[in-house]
Amino acid sequence: DAGVTQSPTHLIKTRGQQVTLRCSPKSGHDTVSWYQQALGQGPQFIFQYYEEEERQRGNFPDRFSGHQFPNYSSELNVNALLLGDSALYLCASSLWTGGEAFFGQGTRLTVV
Amino acid sequence: AQSVTQLDSQVPVFEEAPVELRCNYSSSVSVYLFWYVQYPNQGLQLLLKYLSGSTLVKGINGFEAEFNKSQTSFHLRKPSVHISDTAEYFCAVRRANSGYALNFGKGTSLLVTP
Repeated sequence: DAGVTQSPTHLIKTRGQQVTLRCSPKSGHDTVSWYQQALGQGPQFIFQYYEEEERQRGNFPDRFSGHQFPNYSSELNVNALLLGDSALYLCASSLWTGGEAFFGQGTRLTVV
Repeated sequence: AQSVTQLDSQVPVFEEAPVELRCNYSSSVSVYLFWYVQYPNQGLQLLLKYLSGSTLVKGINGFEAEFNKSQTSFHLRKPSVHISDTAEYFCAVRRANSGYALNFGKGTSLLVTP
């Protein structure tokens, strides 16, 4: 079992550009959550997907959007990038019914 | 909503000494509690979790935590730390009996020196 995999591992984008990050959940998991971790901070919840629908959303602007595919994998899209969007983006997978969340290694996004 | 406060941003400790990392939470509903560890440039790894049952929870790498409902605390302890325990530790809370997202504290940086 490969666990939760995220791609790419590192990314550098220019202010104003758009970015797409990808996540494949742990085998058997049906729920994917995305978190933003700024340097020196705890992870902040962005949103969660189950059955291809956004089920919960944290306090993030509409520039942040996502998608879940029938195979449970997920994408996080960020439009009109700001310098403040530079962070480690973590994907976590779990079962909708509860239990442990497993995290990927994250994607380090740098906006210049 | 649920929230977490980690009372110490940094904890320096000597190798083989005991350590306690403090975590308090607030919630109006039943919750699950977790401790995660993050090594530099890596994702989060679950150390231990409290879902129900015994309030003393044992995890990996010799860590344990005690759930105290009256004090709304979930402090993490280890009787003897190693250099390799140097990392960032995060306490997290989630609404019980659901797949709801985790709310994390700001983290405690544990630095173990010889």
